[in-house]
Amino acid sequence: AQSVTQLDSHVSVSEGTPVLLRCNYSSSYSPSLFWYVQHPNKGLQLLLKYTSAATLVKGINGFEAEFKKSETSFHLTKPSAHMSDAAEYFCVVRANFGNEKLTFGTGTRLTIIP
Amino acid sequence: GAVVSQHPSWVICKSGTSVKIECRSLDFQATTMFWYRQFPKQSLMLMATSNEGSKATYEQGVEKDKFLINHASLTLSTLTVTSAHPEDSSFYICSATQAKSRGFGNEQFFGPGTRLTVL
Repeated sequence: AQSVTQLDSHVSVSEGTPVLLRCNYSSSYSPSLFWYVQHPNKGLQLLLKYTSAATLVKGINGFEAEFKKSETSFHLTKPSAHMSDAAEYFCVVRANFGNEKLTFGTGTRLTIIP
Repeated sequence: GAVVSQHPSWVICKSGTSVKIECRSLDFQATTMFWYRQFPKQSLMLMATSNEGSKATYEQGVEKDKFLINHASLTLSTLTVTSAHPEDSSFYICSATQAKSRGFGNEQFFGPGTRLTVL
């Protein structure tokens, strides 16, 4: 069994300040972890993924995330927020065994304050 | 590469009618496609997993007779919402995995979604 908890349903930051979106996971097997972004009425775009290689993962648009097994966390960060980062962000887990089903977190809405 | 399209992007229909949504992998072959639905301001919920040439596997609570899935080729899967009712109104999103890269690290490529409104 696997699950994802996104600790904040809504995060607001000022433009140019750091972004932190929190995610904790549980999985019976060694997991793969993903962050996706969804802009209004759009599909999902992959920001980055962790698949048992380097624990610090760099993604697109300046985002990165660190896999911490001891804390079962996979928080998403960005040093400096941009207005275009305003969107919904989903943390996703997949067990590296058996099927390819993804389990989505409930999402975090990121608002950027000008 | 790895582009997934959906058609239509939005549809409005009357209650009791059926609606078909297409999901296509444009530049790769997809042995597996997934169908999700997303209610407003909520997360994606997996409805079913579709493998080319075989019957779809539905998640618990999803009516297979209401949501008909056909995966007739390696580039096309369809979802038909039969006898649609207002509670079926939702955002339906498909995804696909590439046939040649099964195993760990497979990425699902998502379509842009189809917004269904049932009046």
